[in-house]
Amino acid sequence: AQSVTQLDSQVPVFEEAPVELRCNYSSSVSVYLFWYVQYPNQGLQLLLKYLSGSTLVKGINGFEAEFNKSQTSFHLRKPSVHISDTAEYFCAVSDWGGSYIPTFGRGTSLIVHP
Amino acid sequence: DTAVSQTPKYLVTQMGNDKSIKCEQNLGHDTMYWYKQDSKKFLKIMFSYNNKELIINETVPNRFSPKSPDKAHLNLHINSLELGDSAVYFCASSQDSVNYGYTFGSGTRLTVV
Repeated sequence: AQSVTQLDSQVPVFEEAPVELRCNYSSSVSVYLFWYVQYPNQGLQLLLKYLSGSTLVKGINGFEAEFNKSQTSFHLRKPSVHISDTAEYFCAVSDWGGSYIPTFGRGTSLIVHP
Repeated sequence: DTAVSQTPKYLVTQMGNDKSIKCEQNLGHDTMYWYKQDSKKFLKIMFSYNNKELIINETVPNRFSPKSPDKAHLNLHINSLELGDSAVYFCASSQDSVNYGYTFGSGTRLTVV
């Protein structure tokens, strides 16, 4: 069974600053990795995913994430955030070849200040 | 042209009542899911249907019963509602049971009083 740890429950940052949201996972098999964003009172929206291939994946809204197998991490980054990036961000992992049902992290609240 | 739509968006009801939440997707996906998000934003899978067939049924009270009349619809019926059922319920879909990423509905906020 897989598990996901999002190390920060809340990340405050000023507008136009860079940000990194951390995600670590554990699994005994190969994995698929995802980041989702949830804006207030909305459903989750897929930001990006790693299935295979290049370890650096680019997503929507200028976000990117890097899969690091040795450190079992999949951190999300953006070089310059906007006020509109204020939201809850969820990391998720699926075991490859299993049920594929993802396990979600507890979420990181990104708060962008003007 | 909403991809995954849920109704109602808000539901306030008394303990002991029976209620249903409807979900429809127009993406042509084969697999649909119900998730529960608690007050601390933790997301937990409840059910998964693939082509109208139940494939995942997590440890959920049997007061919760999913129904899939066709592969575009997955409804959730809840009997004898309890205070602890208060949460946001999300429907989601994916192309097939291999998870290449979900499309979520906007959620139904259920409040049991």
